[in-house]
Amino acid sequence: DGGITQSPKYLFRKEGQNVTLSCEQNLNHDAMYWYRQDPGQGLRLIYYSQIVNDFQKGDIAEGYSVSREKKESFPLTVTSAQKNPTAFYLCASSRRQGKNTEAFFGQGTRLTVV
Amino acid sequence: AQTVTQSQPEMSVQEAETVTLSCTYDTSESDYYLFWYKQPPSRQMILVIRQEAYKQQNATENRFSVNFQKAAKSFSLKISDSQLGDAAMYFCAYRSAPSGNTGKLIFGQGTTLQVKP
Repeated sequence: DGGITQSPKYLFRKEGQNVTLSCEQNLNHDAMYWYRQDPGQGLRLIYYSQIVNDFQKGDIAEGYSVSREKKESFPLTVTSAQKNPTAFYLCASSRRQGKNTEAFFGQGTRLTVV
Repeated sequence: AQTVTQSQPEMSVQEAETVTLSCTYDTSESDYYLFWYKQPPSRQMILVIRQEAYKQQNATENRFSVNFQKAAKSFSLKISDSQLGDAAMYFCAYRSAPSGNTGKLIFGQGTTLQVKP
């Protein structure tokens, strides 16, 4: 079955550490996105990529980095520069053009700083 | 820049009754898509319904329907015959439609729906 897989489901980070969240899709979608969700707030865009080897900053990119070396994969690294990384992170993908361009989401990763 | 506002942080409905969730948005674009996503306790985001701005007819998916008022920039979700499984957080989202756009979704703050048995 086609879909988006995020791993791990839960992740714990020590102060000063970098951690990487995995996102893989087999939907053959060109576009992929990372969102952050905090309690009482909607989803906010961190980074997005429309094609391989290209990506752009979203609204809250500071302290995060991404890569897009393969169409299927869009990992997110939360660096030590991100001062408040505890949140729920959602990865999504979509077609770039055409009629059915709604986003499909992974199951999310809960990141906690310990 | 586009914005999406959901002014109801929490709503409740009796099982089998009807409830309407509100959403307003602001944009200067004429062509765009609007979505309602459901996020149950599992936190998996599930697409509920989609509306293309160029279509005057309101979208319907089984018990879910929308009231799309383009001039008023309003996009409400009506859930009929509410079921316990409808309990979730609901997000309204906006996406620009022009060819070559980034596909970014802009989300509202969400409305938590409680369904009472």
